[in-house]
Amino acid sequence: AQSVAQPEDQVNVAEGNPLTVKCTYSVSGNPYLFWYVQYPNRGLQFLLKYITGDNLVKGSYGFEAEFNKSQTSFHLKKPSALVSDSALYFCAGRAGGYQKVTFGIGTKLQVIP
Amino acid sequence: ETGVTQTPRHLVMGMTNKKSLKCEQHLGHNAMYWYKQSAKKPLELMFVYSLEERVENNSVPSRFSPECPNSSHLFLHLHTLQPEDSALYLCASSQGASGENPYQETQYFGPGTRLLVL
Repeated sequence: AQSVAQPEDQVNVAEGNPLTVKCTYSVSGNPYLFWYVQYPNRGLQFLLKYITGDNLVKGSYGFEAEFNKSQTSFHLKKPSALVSDSALYFCAGRAGGYQKVTFGIGTKLQVIP
Repeated sequence: ETGVTQTPRHLVMGMTNKKSLKCEQHLGHNAMYWYKQSAKKPLELMFVYSLEERVENNSVPSRFSPECPNSSHLFLHLHTLQPEDSALYLCASSQGASGENPYQETQYFGPGTRLLVL
């Protein structure tokens, strides 16, 4: 069975500092990996995805994620955090073939002014 | 806005009520999804429709009944719910060509319906 883990319930970072939100996956074959963000009272918004190719994926709002096959990780990063980045972040993934996407439990990012 | 709308945004219902949640997508997608989001739990996929046919039913209780009359609309009919069914119900859509994996493409989510069952 495939799974996606987000080991941190909450991440606090000061405005202007770099941020990292962690995600590890367990899927068979080549993984398809996604990051979504959820602002209060809103649905999930797509940030970026890794399908194949470059391990560093660039997405919306200055976010990027690095696919690391040896560590089975897909951490979300941003060089300089904004207060407006405060939200709930979800990692998701699936293996090739006719399978559903599995979501992580979510990590709350709090950017402190 | 993502092009996926959901109504109502908030719903309070008793355990004996019947209500329906509505989702509409304006993106020309051919796959639609219902998810349940509860605090401190991963998103739970409930139903998937691809080309208006149900392709996934994740052991959801029969008190939840989906309906997909066309590729732009998705309903979730609710009947005799339990308090533990209180959650945020999210609709999503994606584009997958006929015969291909409906999960392949990026999913676009609506704002959700916050449901409280008393």
